Amino acid sequence: EVQLVESGGGLVQPGGFLRLSCATSGFSVSNNHMTWVRQAPGKGLEWVSSLYSGGNTFYADSVKGRFTISRDFSKNTLYLQMDSLRAEDTAVYYCAKYLGVIQALAHWGQGTLVTVSS
Amino acid sequence: DIQMTQSPSSLSASVGDRVTITCQASQDIYNYLNWYQQKPGKAPKLLIYDATNLQTGVPSRFSGSGSGTDFTFTISSLQPEDFAIYYCQQYENLPLTFGGGTKVEI
Repeated sequence: EVQLVESGGGLVQPGGFLRLSCATSGFSVSNNHMTWVRQAPGKGLEWVSSLYSGGNTFYADSVKGRFTISRDFSKNTLYLQMDSLRAEDTAVYYCAKYLGVIQALAHWGQGTLVTVSS
Repeated sequence: DIQMTQSPSSLSASVGDRVTITCQASQDIYNYLNWYQQKPGKAPKLLIYDATNLQTGVPSRFSGSGSGTDFTFTISSLQPEDFAIYYCQQYENLPLTFGGGTKVEI
């Protein structure tokens, strides 16, 4: 069974940093496309970043240069390093697995809340 | 970036009703269009991919149609568990972009 479990969210001051983790089971992060999507309180869904199976990484303009997506094959875990955090980064962050090479997000974690506030 | 415009933003319906949601892309996205359902406090759930394909395990009362710039999502007979927010999402180009959502209420 495919499972994704996010952790690492919390309250952080503007300018601070957090690292989100997405522990997976039932598949390998090494040969699957993965992504992070966020949802600000009461708002819609916003794509943040993707890491393809071949290693290519992609970022939304709003986080480029501040966030870094990565993976650990031995832990089968996806990460999102978030630096220089801003109030507008406050959201629930979801990791998700693509449906093969189709860019449909077929499996999602439960989400982890990041709050950026002084 | 490709803009996705969903309508309506909300609707009220009754159990058994046929519900239709539309999604319009700002440019041709072929059939690179997915639909998700999200319930309060939960992660989104993939219902339809590639505009018309039902994800495994999703009831057949859900369907999708369209190509190019205009797409439709239909629930043929609304069930109590279908009250939720529905989002479309394109993947013709990065950034992946979502519609603003349609809240289906009783």
